[in-house]
Amino acid sequence: ETGVTQSPTHLIKTRGQQVTLRCSSQSGHNTVSWYQQALGQGPQFIFQYYREEENGRGNFPPRFSGLQFPNYSSELNVNALELDDSALYLCASSSGQAYGYTFGSGTRLTVV
Amino acid sequence: ELKVEQNPLFLSMQEGKNYTIYCNYSTTSDRLYWYRQDPGKSLESLFVLLSNGAVKQEGRLMASLDTKARLSTLHITAAVHDLSATYFCAVEEDSNYQLIWGAGTKLIIKP
Repeated sequence: ETGVTQSPTHLIKTRGQQVTLRCSSQSGHNTVSWYQQALGQGPQFIFQYYREEENGRGNFPPRFSGLQFPNYSSELNVNALELDDSALYLCASSSGQAYGYTFGSGTRLTVV
Repeated sequence: ELKVEQNPLFLSMQEGKNYTIYCNYSTTSDRLYWYRQDPGKSLESLFVLLSNGAVKQEGRLMASLDTKARLSTLHITAAVHDLSATYFCAVEEDSNYQLIWGAGTKLIIKP
């Protein structure tokens, strides 16, 4: 059974650019969530997808968008990057609330 | 708005000692999670607590949930150096499934 995998592991982008981060959820998991974690802080919820539909969103602007594909993998897209977008982006998948969420190793995004 | 508070935020302790991390939250929820994070690493699931009175134990760690008091505790028994990490609690919000996280407790266990 494979876990949650994210790519790339590290990324450096220039302010104003766009970025796409990818996540392959754990086998059998139909729910995927994305979180932003700034250094020294707890994660902040961006949004969640369940069977290709967004079913929850945190306090992030529309330039943060996502997709979930039929195989339950997912993408996070961020447009018009700002310096404050520099953070660790974590993807988590789940097969139901009773089982908790399995997190990937994250993508470290640096915006310069 | 759901808020989650952990205390202490920093804890330095000797091996062999016992201690408790507290997680308070502000609205009704009966789904609480504990995670561990090592420096530069991702989040490792420790416990899933889904009902009032839930108690779970794994090795030297034990977690409990009191939904009436809106309080969860993570108790460490006879700490060992390998337990040094940052521990987060997270509460699941009913309205949009998001996990609201505490600020984390950085635990350092000295030999």
